[in-house]
Formats: sequence, C-alpha cells, structure tokens
Amino acid sequence: ETGVTQTPRHLVMGMTNKKSLKCEQHLGHNAMYWYKQSAKKPLELMFVYSLEERVENNSVPSRFSPECPNSSHLFLHLHTLQPEDSALYLCASSQERPGAAMNTGELFFGEGSRLTVL
Amino acid sequence: SQKIEQNSEALNIQEGKTATLTCNYTNYSPAYLQWYRQDPGRGPVFLLLIRENEKEKRKERLKVTFDTTLKQSLFHITASQPADSATYLCALVQSDTGRRALTFGSGTRLQVQP
Repeated sequence: ETGVTQTPRHLVMGMTNKKSLKCEQHLGHNAMYWYKQSAKKPLELMFVYSLEERVENNSVPSRFSPECPNSSHLFLHLHTLQPEDSALYLCASSQERPGAAMNTGELFFGEGSRLTVL
Repeated sequence: SQKIEQNSEALNIQEGKTATLTCNYTNYSPAYLQWYRQDPGRGPVFLLLIRENEKEKRKERLKVTFDTTLKQSLFHITASQPADSATYLCALVQSDTGRRALTFGSGTRLQVQP
C-alpha cells in the first residue's frame, strides 16, 4: 500500500444510520486532515490533526466526529446525517515542520469517499 | 470577507496552445500558494508551490507566477495536451492567523481539444 488510502470509496446511508469513514496514510506524515467537497464548491476544511492532537475544528456539526488513534490513521464517524451532507469526503496528510505556526507542506490526498445520505 | 476566486467557467483550448488559469484572492496575506490538479472522482494532486517572495516557479511544462500586489497567481501549461484536461485548484495558507491548513479555491476546469 502506498500514499493515502480511504475506505469505503462509496457509501450510501440513511439519516438514522451510524457509519465511519477510514483513512490510512503510508507516508510517515505527522498531520492528517478531513476535507469536504460538494459540487461546485471549494474544498471545505473540516478537521486537522497534528501529532494525533486535534488542532483545528472548522465549525463542523457534531454529527461528524473525528478520531485519530495514531499518526497513520484517521476516522470520521457519521451519525444522523442530513441529505445536504452528501459529498466527497477527502482525507489528506502532510509533514509539518516541528514548531511551525502553520503548515506549508504539500497535501497528499486520498481518492475520497463518496457519501450519499438518503 | 476572505475570498479565493478562480474562473468557474471551463477553459477550452486547442492542443499545443498555452493554457492560463487565474487565481485571485481577497483579504489574505498568503505566505505560500499552491496549485493542485483534480481529475473527476479523484483526490487532488499537488503540482507546484510558490512562496510570497518568489515571482515565478517552473516545473517541466508548468509555470506559476505570484503577484502579491495584484493579489493574483497565474498558472500556465505550455504545449497543452488532451491529458492535461482536469480541474485545477489553487490553495493558500494565510500567514498571520495561525491557521494551519490550506484554503482552496473552487477550481477551474480545463478542457484541451485534440
């Protein structure tokens, strides 16, 4: 396995379901991200984890719950979603410089998980 | 308010010509600006990074310029090929807010006709 792997690639769920998206990076990076991409809209940053600590939460509704058990894995737990949450969810990783106030490195994205909420 | 604007209309050009895509930003002081390529149903792929003190950066057939006075970056693909057809995203990091992650524009779709 190389790069950033996301599973599942496609997910259809009802509004009352609970599901999880999984991301795994094999690049030895120390930061991971969740982005949401809806049609005709820019990528929206949802969560940032640096060294397994959540360092940014971009006003995301609580029905989205991230988990980062280690620097290689990132989850997005989904619960009671709405149809407007249907989108492509992209995971990314990068290597942050120690002590840096901001991340300037390139992002390595997975192929995304296409979520449809019925 | 802060905005990153890319031309939402698709850019159609003939094979062999130079494609030029524009990224304009408002109310940002970016330390870095990056360009990514995204194919349908795939994740974005990093192409180039340019720093605020750099005017121009090149990589093979790609060239990026960064004008902090105009608050604009231009992305050029010379000798374009049908395989260059994709959506191109610009992204930046604000230098003075402590934000740690990239903010993206909505992208411009490039279609290169054979």
